[in-house]
Amino acid sequence: AQKVTQAQTEISVVEKEDVTLDCVYETRDTTYYLFWYKQPPSGELVFLIRRNSFDEQNEISGRYSWNFQKSTSSFNFTITASQVVDSAVYFCALSAPRGTSNTGKLIFGQGTTLQVKP
Amino acid sequence: NAGVTQTPKFQVLKTGQSMTLQCAQDMNHEYMSWYRQDPGMGLRLIHYSVGAGITDQGEVPNGYNVSRSTTEDFPLRLLSAAPSQTSVYFCASSGFTTGVYSGNTIYFGEGSWLTVV
Repeated sequence: AQKVTQAQTEISVVEKEDVTLDCVYETRDTTYYLFWYKQPPSGELVFLIRRNSFDEQNEISGRYSWNFQKSTSSFNFTITASQVVDSAVYFCALSAPRGTSNTGKLIFGQGTTLQVKP
Repeated sequence: NAGVTQTPKFQVLKTGQSMTLQCAQDMNHEYMSWYRQDPGMGLRLIHYSVGAGITDQGEVPNGYNVSRSTTEDFPLRLLSAAPSQTSVYFCASSGFTTGVYSGNTIYFGEGSWLTVV
């Protein structure tokens, strides 16, 4: 079975602090895809990153970085020097490759609400 | 969100009424799906489709019907709305790319806020 767990329900930080959002996943597929989405107060889902399971390189995009560790089935997201505009709900998600019974389904974690205070 | 058009954005229904949420994509994607979002529960899969004429149930299918007569369209029907169906609904379209940036690409509609009173 596929499952995504975001154990942190809510996180509150003060602006300029670094913050890490945790994501742990379960899957039996040897190939899979991991995603992070941001949902600002306006409600739309904003795509942040997709990571293929066969690419274990960590990635940095500006103040955002992602740490993918297959050994611990984790795909954590770090925001460096947080800003008020980072306040949002963040979702981690998992999808299966083509040709499996789970193809076409996206499994979401429960989401982490991040509040960045000025 | 480029490529996925979802309507309406807001809707208020009375208990027992029926309605259809529309979803259309122009990317020729095989896979389409509907999710509902409730506080503290993330997004849960309602129904999904792996191609025209093929649909299947997700995690929370009760009270919803879908059909996929064309590749482009995947409407979600509420047959007899209940207050428990008050939620935010998202449609998604999914495809697979090949080459250097191969993988699963997923696009979401802007969401539909549904209130059943």
